[in-house]
Amino acid sequence: DAGVTQSPTHLIKTRGQHVTLRCSPISGHKSVSWYQQVLGQGPQFIFQYYEKEERGRGNFPDRFSARQFPNYSSELNVNALLLGDSALYLCASSSDAGTAYEQYFGPGTRLTVT
Amino acid sequence: QKEVEQNSGPLSVPEGAIASLNCTYSDRVSQSFFWYRQYSGKSPELIMSIYSNGDKEDGRFTAQLNKASQYVSLLIRDSQPSDSATYLCAVSDSGGYNKLIFGAGTRLAVHP
Repeated sequence: DAGVTQSPTHLIKTRGQHVTLRCSPISGHKSVSWYQQVLGQGPQFIFQYYEKEERGRGNFPDRFSARQFPNYSSELNVNALLLGDSALYLCASSSDAGTAYEQYFGPGTRLTVT
Repeated sequence: QKEVEQNSGPLSVPEGAIASLNCTYSDRVSQSFFWYRQYSGKSPELIMSIYSNGDKEDGRFTAQLNKASQYVSLLIRDSQPSDSATYLCAVSDSGGYNKLIFGAGTRLAVHP
């Protein structure tokens, strides 16, 4: 079975631009979470979506938004990009929304903002 | 502010030795604990999950949990150079949804 897929792999954007990152979860998984990982740090939680509804939101500005589609894939959108948004963006898939469910990460999208 | 603390390392062990990685967390109510391995330039890979006090073994890996001390550890037996990576400790947030709080990771170097 295919694991979590993310696109694109790498992206270079200019300050002030907008970016859309995409994620497809493991087949049968209904929950998708997004994390941001800055070099040298652990991933930081941005959003969780389950059954197309936002279930949790981390401490990120309103420039960050996301949605989940009927097929459980998800998009993360970031507006008005800042240099500090440069990071590895990770999508994690889990079979359900509760705290006991294991999360499996995709390969990530490396975003560079210049 | 809920926190997960790990020694950044590097932890250097010879091939064949036991590597011991430690993690402490601040949220007493956390119920689920995970260890991820991350190779340089790659995404985190889940290697162990543990939910109850005590030990859980899976191959060369043993996770240990002590909720009273708010302490989680990972032992890697018969360490191999291929185990050289950053190991991330993750703790579930008690807020009711599937948010993980990560430590900054411990870098492990296994030398031949």
